[in-house]
Amino acid sequence: DQQVKQNSPSLSVQEGRISILNCDYTNSMFDYFLWYKKYPAEGPTFLISISSIKDKNEDGRFTVFLNKSAKHLSLHIVPSQPGDSAVYFCAGRAGSQGNLIFGKGTKLSVKP
Amino acid sequence: DGGITQSPKYLFRKEGQNVTLSCEQNLNHDAMYWYRQDPGQGLRLIYYSQIVNDFQKGDIAEGYSVSREKKESFPLTVTSAQKNPTAFYLCASSIIGGSYEQYFGPGTRLTVT
Repeated sequence: DQQVKQNSPSLSVQEGRISILNCDYTNSMFDYFLWYKKYPAEGPTFLISISSIKDKNEDGRFTVFLNKSAKHLSLHIVPSQPGDSAVYFCAGRAGSQGNLIFGKGTKLSVKP
Repeated sequence: DGGITQSPKYLFRKEGQNVTLSCEQNLNHDAMYWYRQDPGQGLRLIYYSQIVNDFQKGDIAEGYSVSREKKESFPLTVTSAQKNPTAFYLCASSIIGGSYEQYFGPGTRLTVT
């Protein structure tokens, strides 16, 4: 049973445009959501997080939106740059133990 | 430089051999984690530890073992009982509290033939 779903395995965007990566979840107990970026053969790097009590968090070119009623969150990257090309993982944190549940990732390609 | 180190970057073993992957952190984090990544898959939790001398099984602990004798170190042993050991292994650490951001090491690619 996948608690975190990233239904788009890949996304291609033109440089300068907006990239929107989507994530759906089923676990109502998630209290934090995190986005990670991963290049091949490297460890993921943390991008941005959002608490379940908020609906938006912004950090530079990255904004995460949370729709709790729809159990949906999205990561917006504006403007997209070729260096943003990577796999993006969405993760939910379930409770005080702090374990993260990851989606399968979306591969973003930003074309010059 | 604070961070997480994993060694080696690439590891090759023959089937039937146990192999230990190293993970060290100098971030003074209490919690440490081991994940496995397979192509087209997300990160799956193998084991985690929130305090020295204590650790818990994750979702796919079978065929793996860990130890946490020091706060800085959390080695993972892939035993011969693990049926599909070839994978990319990632170690992470975090504080306990706050948003629980986990910081990842560079990973070890294990190939068993």
